[in-house]
Amino acid sequence: DAKTTQPTSMDCAEGRAANLPCNHSTISGNEYVYWYRQIHSQGPQYIIHGLKNNETNEMASLIITEDRKSSTLILPHATLRDTAVYYCIVRRGSGNTGKLIFGQGTTLQVKP
Amino acid sequence: DSGVTQTPKHLITATGQRVTLRCSPRSGDLSVYWYQQSLDQGLQFLIQYYNGEERAKGNILERFSAQQFPDLHSELNLSSLELGDSALYFCASRWGTGDTGELFFGEGSRLTVL
Repeated sequence: DAKTTQPTSMDCAEGRAANLPCNHSTISGNEYVYWYRQIHSQGPQYIIHGLKNNETNEMASLIITEDRKSSTLILPHATLRDTAVYYCIVRRGSGNTGKLIFGQGTTLQVKP
Repeated sequence: DSGVTQTPKHLITATGQRVTLRCSPRSGDLSVYWYQQSLDQGLQFLIQYYNGEERAKGNILERFSAQQFPDLHSELNLSSLELGDSALYFCASRWGTGDTGELFFGEGSRLTVL
C-alpha cells in the first residue's frame, strides 16, 4: 500500500471549513484513499473514502487530484467536536485483507 | 456506537501477569482486527482473523496471541506482561475481506501494567 504524508497539526476556526491535505504520490491505480479520525483516545471512526472521483457524505467531502497523487479532506463547517487526529490511508480496493496501516495523522484543533 | 464491544474497558495488572481482552464484532461481521496504541508508537496493527482463521499478521509479539471463536467473538491474550505493554488495545470488525469496506472500531481496552 502506498505511503501517505500529512502535516503534523493544523488549526481551524469554528464554523469555517477545515481543509486537511494528504500526499500519496506513489499511489497505484487500484488503491483507494481512506480517511479516519480519532477523537481523544476513542476508537478511530471512518469518515470517507474514494478512488478517483470526488466524494461527499454527511460528514465530509473528499477531493482527489486528477493525477491522484494528493487529496484533501474538507469538513465544511468545523465544530469543536471535530477536534481530533485525522488519518489519511491508502489501501488496495481488492485482494487486500482489509487491514489499515495508520501513520501519525494530522491533529486538527478547532478553536472558538 | 459502532456496534463493536470490547471488555474490559480498563485493566490494571502487574508485570509478568497474563490478561485476556475480549471483542464482540458487529452482528454479521466475519473479520476482526486487533490494534495496539501506545503513546510513542501510534496505532499499530497486530493481527486479523476472518471467520475463525488468521488472515494477516502485523507487529504482534510472540508473548501475544489471539483467536476467533465460532460465534465470531475474538480474544487477545497478552502474557508475561511488561511495562511497555501498557497501551490502548482496539478491536475492529467488518463484514468481509478483500474489498473496500470500512472498519468499525470499538472503544478500546486500556491496559496499565505496573
